[in-house]
Amino acid sequence: GDSVTQMEGPVTLSEEAFLTINCTYTATGYPSLFWYVQYPGEGLQLLLKATKADDKGSNKGFEATYRKETTSFHLEKGSVQVSDSAVYFCALRYLLNTDKLIFGTGTRLQVFP
Amino acid sequence: DAGVIQSPRHEVTEMGQEVTLRCKPISGHNSLFWYRQTMMRGLELLIYFNNNVPIDDSGMPEDRFSAKMPNASFSTLKIQPSEPRDSAVYFCASSSPAGAFFGQGTRLTVV
Repeated sequence: GDSVTQMEGPVTLSEEAFLTINCTYTATGYPSLFWYVQYPGEGLQLLLKATKADDKGSNKGFEATYRKETTSFHLEKGSVQVSDSAVYFCALRYLLNTDKLIFGTGTRLQVFP
Repeated sequence: DAGVIQSPRHEVTEMGQEVTLRCKPISGHNSLFWYRQTMMRGLELLIYFNNNVPIDDSGMPEDRFSAKMPNASFSTLKIQPSEPRDSAVYFCASSSPAGAFFGQGTRLTVV
């Protein structure tokens, strides 16, 4: 079945370090891919998305490229801030037919000054 | 738009009691999802609706859980009877082609 696999956390970085959070997926069709962020005590917020192969989603300095050949959608940021500390979720979704949204387990990011 | 609205934000109840969680999706969104989040199991999809019709309820843990969507602007998730292991944060999300948008969640504690 369809699934999303994320690297386990926590990921601990110093401010201004480079961030990569790995995400790979298994899908029977051609899903859209998403990254969501969850700050403490809040719901999930859409961070960025890509709807087809080779698309790059970007927002707030974060970016991720839809790689069909490696079934990956890794999240990157060139210089993290303390305020980026949160849990990041990778997800896939089919817009046609069922509109099912499947999440990975989440990766906690901790950024220290 | 006010976003997805969930109520209550916090609920504390005794074991055996009925609990009803409520969700108002974003107007115009035709899909609605109920998720449960715990430290142990992460984010679990319980059920989702498309155009008010339940499409997949395979994530509902057992018969004590039920969900309804009587119209496009309202959904409920009911637990009867509640048990301590149901303690979690329950999220509702609604979606359009632009993406899925989450409510603030309901933190349920069953004592």
